Amino acid sequence: GQNIDQPTEMTATEGAIVQINCTYQTSGFNGLFWYQQHAGEAPTFLSYNVLDGLEEKGRFSSFLSRSKGYSYLLLKELQMKDSASYLCAAYNFNKFYFGSGTKLNVKP
Amino acid sequence: DTEVTQTPKHLVMGMTNKKSLKCEQHMGHRAMYWYKQKAKKPPELMFVYSYEKLSINESVPSRFSPECPNSSLLNLHLHALQPEDSALYLCASSQDGGRQETQYFGPGTRLLVL
Repeated sequence: GQNIDQPTEMTATEGAIVQINCTYQTSGFNGLFWYQQHAGEAPTFLSYNVLDGLEEKGRFSSFLSRSKGYSYLLLKELQMKDSASYLCAAYNFNKFYFGSGTKLNVKP
Repeated sequence: DTEVTQTPKHLVMGMTNKKSLKCEQHMGHRAMYWYKQKAKKPPELMFVYSYEKLSINESVPSRFSPECPNSSLLNLHLHALQPEDSALYLCASSQDGGRQETQYFGPGTRLLVL
């Protein structure tokens, strides 16, 4: 079976750093993706990890530990526009198994 | 260009209607996907086309019928839908559905079934 867990909701302050965790248990694994989704809009790709370690893309970084079935998305210098849902997805040949998403509220 | 387009943006239909959702990409991608997303839920995979052939059907009811006329287009034909089918329908594409793939999503069609 597939099981992707992430916190339901988080709140952080503008300018701060926030870490959104994701744990996964999947039969077969080819990568871990992070998407951002604003309410009523389609998911947009943020980052992905195939190998263990940290991938950095500007204000966003993502980390993967395959042995622990664990990933996190790190957002730095938070901006109000970062208020959105963040979806963790485990990928296995054509199929994305999405977590339920973490709703991030950024406050002034 | 990493754009996937979908039409219409919004659709309201009765349970006896027949309608179609359309998706198009010009990135040369050979894998295309349909997802259904209910409010405050993650996207759920419905169908996957790889090289214009249906490769995955996630046990979707037959009132949803996908079609891939060519490598750039993906349709979803709707017939005799139920109110619980109301959702955001997302199309996505990726290079070829291989090992390390980023899926690019279209803006979605918001469907309301009355």
